[in-house]
Amino acid sequence: DSGVTQTPKHLITATGQRVTLRCSPRSGDLSVYWYQQSLDQGLQFLIQYYNGEERAKGNILERFSAQQFPDLHSELNLSSLELGDSALYFCASSDKQGARRTEAFFGQGTRLTVV
Amino acid sequence: AQSVSQHNHHVILSEAASLELGCNYSYGGTVNLFWYVQYPGQHLQLLLKYFSGDPLVKGIKGFEAEFIKSKFSFNLRKPSVQWSDTAEYFCAVNADNYGQNFVFGPGTRLSVLP
Repeated sequence: DSGVTQTPKHLITATGQRVTLRCSPRSGDLSVYWYQQSLDQGLQFLIQYYNGEERAKGNILERFSAQQFPDLHSELNLSSLELGDSALYFCASSDKQGARRTEAFFGQGTRLTVV
Repeated sequence: AQSVSQHNHHVILSEAASLELGCNYSYGGTVNLFWYVQYPGQHLQLLLKYFSGDPLVKGIKGFEAEFIKSKFSFNLRKPSVQWSDTAEYFCAVNADNYGQNFVFGPGTRLSVLP
């Protein structure tokens, strides 16, 4: 158990809908990262938050947004869903803002299926 | 932008065979290097990491990796694989001053035949 909790584990929804994925980082970790894993794209970095503020942005679509709350949990909002958004969405956390000497701990992921 | 490449998409080995998975990254500054493993249906778990010091690092489950700075490589090795090592292996880089995020390679799927 990595200490990172993601809910829900599975989500099935229709095209055009909006969903929210939730992530609770390890106790004490201030950084949260979101990744999308699909068969054809591999593990793609979406966005990073540190202590409530956005720190880095990757290949995140405009239909997607995220935020980190004062209690440090994070939510990833996916809207106007398309079939191609079906993927495994991972959250990871680390204890530092910067890169030096820190590792990422991953949650179990949320498997999103858009039908 | 920094990138990570992994030499093999799918490796098939018999039990007891030796394993080497290649990883190269493109960034000239100070880097932190990682190997993660993803067992079927599970999340990514850290196998080993390199921050500084001895370029030969040992991880869990008998895995080790060697950092060769001149070759921008961080290859993963195991002398004798087991069926339970069947999984997907990801090399990752985290570089100072570079977006502060972990960049992952495309992954190598390892299948170990009993």
